[in-house]
Amino acid sequence: GNSVTQMEGPVTLSEEAFLTINCTYTATGYPSLFWYVQYPGEGLQLLLKATKADDKGSNKGFEATYRKETTSFHLEKGSVQVSDSAVYFCALRMLETGNQFYFGTGTSLTVIP
Amino acid sequence: EPEVTQTPSHQVTQMGQEVILRCVPISNHLYFYWYRQILGQKVEFLVSFYNNEISEKSEIFDDQFSVERPDGSNFTLKIRSTKLEDSAMYFCASSASGRAALENTGELFFGEGSRLTVL
Repeated sequence: GNSVTQMEGPVTLSEEAFLTINCTYTATGYPSLFWYVQYPGEGLQLLLKATKADDKGSNKGFEATYRKETTSFHLEKGSVQVSDSAVYFCALRMLETGNQFYFGTGTSLTVIP
Repeated sequence: EPEVTQTPSHQVTQMGQEVILRCVPISNHLYFYWYRQILGQKVEFLVSFYNNEISEKSEIFDDQFSVERPDGSNFTLKIRSTKLEDSAMYFCASSASGRAALENTGELFFGEGSRLTVL
């Protein structure tokens, strides 16, 4: 089946530290991969995406590369800020199976000054 | 910026009671979804809705659940007789169009969620 496994949290980092949140997936076909972010009191927002192998999605200093050989889509940021504190969700979608997104459990990130 | 809004933000109910969760999708969107997240678990797909009918549903979406778009703006999720295991955060989402748009943008717009606690 289709599923996403992401690094368990919570993660606490100091400002300007390097962030990695691991995400691996299992898919029966060729998925598109996404990172969604949920800031406190808000809904899930698309952070970045990649639709094919070796694509790199990037936004707001975050990056993730679609690695088919390792079935991974790890989220990275070189220097986190307090405002990055949020819950991050890795997700995949299979067009072949319609509009369903398969989400991970979410990783809570807290950045301290 | 347009957004999806959900009410209530938190509802506490007794087991066996009916619950209706409400969502106002973005006004020009045509596809609507409900997802839920039980505490500590994954965000799970429940149902998608287009053209006044269900287009897809998961195994979770059994006969106790129903969705409706009663007035052209609201999109509701009804749980007929709540169970303890229905306690979760329920997220509504919408998209401008279906598969074709998702191929290009991949974006669903989510609400803030409604937390349901069943006692």
